[in-house]
Amino acid sequence: EADIYQTPRYLVIGTGKKITLECSQTMGHDKMYWYQQDPGMELHLIHYSYGVNSTEKGDLSSESTVSRIRTEHFPLTLESARPSHTSQYLCASSESASGTPVETDTQYFGPGTRLTVL
Amino acid sequence: KNQVEQSPQSLIILEGKNCTLQCNYTVSPFSNLRWYKQDTGRGPVSLTIMTFSENTKSNGRYTATLDADTKQSSLHITASQLSDSASYICVVSDRGSTLGRLYFGRGTQLTVWP
Repeated sequence: EADIYQTPRYLVIGTGKKITLECSQTMGHDKMYWYQQDPGMELHLIHYSYGVNSTEKGDLSSESTVSRIRTEHFPLTLESARPSHTSQYLCASSESASGTPVETDTQYFGPGTRLTVL
Repeated sequence: KNQVEQSPQSLIILEGKNCTLQCNYTVSPFSNLRWYKQDTGRGPVSLTIMTFSENTKSNGRYTATLDADTKQSSLHITASQLSDSASYICVVSDRGSTLGRLYFGRGTQLTVWP
C-alpha cells in the first residue's frame, strides 16, 4: 500500500465556495500529479510537479490551481467551485527507480477525493 | 491521435473462472504499458509494467501480454476471486514523454460473482 493520502475523501459544497483538496505523501517522491476522473471515464491529468516550486498544467484544462512548497505536500485549490467541477480527483506521486529509464516510473495513487458541487 | 481502447467495457464472471481483458493502443512512439487495478472509491494500484522488449509479465494470478507489433495487450486473470471485482485500466506511455503524460484507457469493469 502506497503512503499517499488525500483529504477529504468526500466533499459536498455549494456553488461559489473556495475549496482546497489536500494531498500528502511520505515516500519522499519528487514528482506529484493531480488527475480528474468521471465515472466510467479515463483519468485526465490536470496538474503535475517535478519538485518544490515546480508546477505545470496537464493535458486537461482546469480552473484549479496547485502549489508545491514542500516535497511531501501538493494541494489543489478551486477559488470558486461550480457544478461542472463535480468529479473524482486523484493525486499520485512517483520517483524513478535507480538504473531504470525515467519513463518506467510507477505512479502511486491516493484514494481520491469525490467532490460534489451543488 | 494517441489513444487507448479497452474491451470489454464490463464483464461478469463466476468465482474461480478465468478471464482476459483487452487493450489496443495507437500511442507512438511506444515506451511502456501498465495495467492498473482500481477498486471502487480507491486510487489505481499498479499490477504490471511492460516495456517494448517484454511480451509477458506475471504478478500472481495476473498475467499481462504485449504485442508491440499489433499494439495490443491483454490481462489474463486466473482462478478469479471476489476481491478481483474492480476496474482494470490500461495505461500507455510514449517514449521520451514528459513525466505524467500517460494515456489512460477507460477501464474494464470486472464483477466476480460467488
